[in-house]
Amino acid sequence: EAGVTQFPSHSVIEKGQTVTLRCDPISGHDNLYWYRRVMGKEIKFLLHFVKESKQDESGMPNNRFLAERTGGTYSTLKVQPAELEDSGVYFCASSQEVRSKSTDTQYFGPGTRLTVL
Amino acid sequence: AQKVTQAQTEISVVEKEDVTLDCVYETRDTTYYLFWYKQPPSGELVFLIRRNSFDEQNEISGRYSWNFQKSTSSFNFTITASQVVDSAVYFCALSEIQGAQKLVFGQGTRLTINP
Repeated sequence: EAGVTQFPSHSVIEKGQTVTLRCDPISGHDNLYWYRRVMGKEIKFLLHFVKESKQDESGMPNNRFLAERTGGTYSTLKVQPAELEDSGVYFCASSQEVRSKSTDTQYFGPGTRLTVL
Repeated sequence: AQKVTQAQTEISVVEKEDVTLDCVYETRDTTYYLFWYKQPPSGELVFLIRRNSFDEQNEISGRYSWNFQKSTSSFNFTITASQVVDSAVYFCALSEIQGAQKLVFGQGTRLTINP
């Protein structure tokens, strides 16, 4: 079974440009999460999709970040315009939908390293 | 608010030594999950264990063991007879059991096993 995949693995852009990160969750996983690790600090939650709906976007830093999950399969995270402080590693994770709605184990992708110059 | 603290930023030991990674957490929830993830040089976060706050039994899986102590809000991870392949960054994390499912991570501990 394929794991969570992310594309690209590394992106280098200039301040003010736009970047789109993609995440393909494990097949059949309804839950999809985005996290970010900035400058060696702790990994921080950005948002959570259940299928195509945003369940929790409390961690999104500002309106320069836009996440979508059309059709409830893969997800994209767009940063527009990118700023220097957006540099970091962006992780995607997925988990199965659990009938009891309790937290299930999240499986992570390899991350996308974003560098904004 | 939930918080996870991994006070050890970096640990370096010689192969075959035992090593313990500390994790201390804060939460107002009476029920919660605790996790450990491993991040090898390849970058992905590899799930190691999930622990329910109801269950304080220690767990052993091969050379790995976990010590969960609710009284001290700690969930420590021990590797016995360490190997070079254990070199990685290890993250401890916490989540609610129901409701918000986001993981709250510690800062991570970089473990280096020297041959």
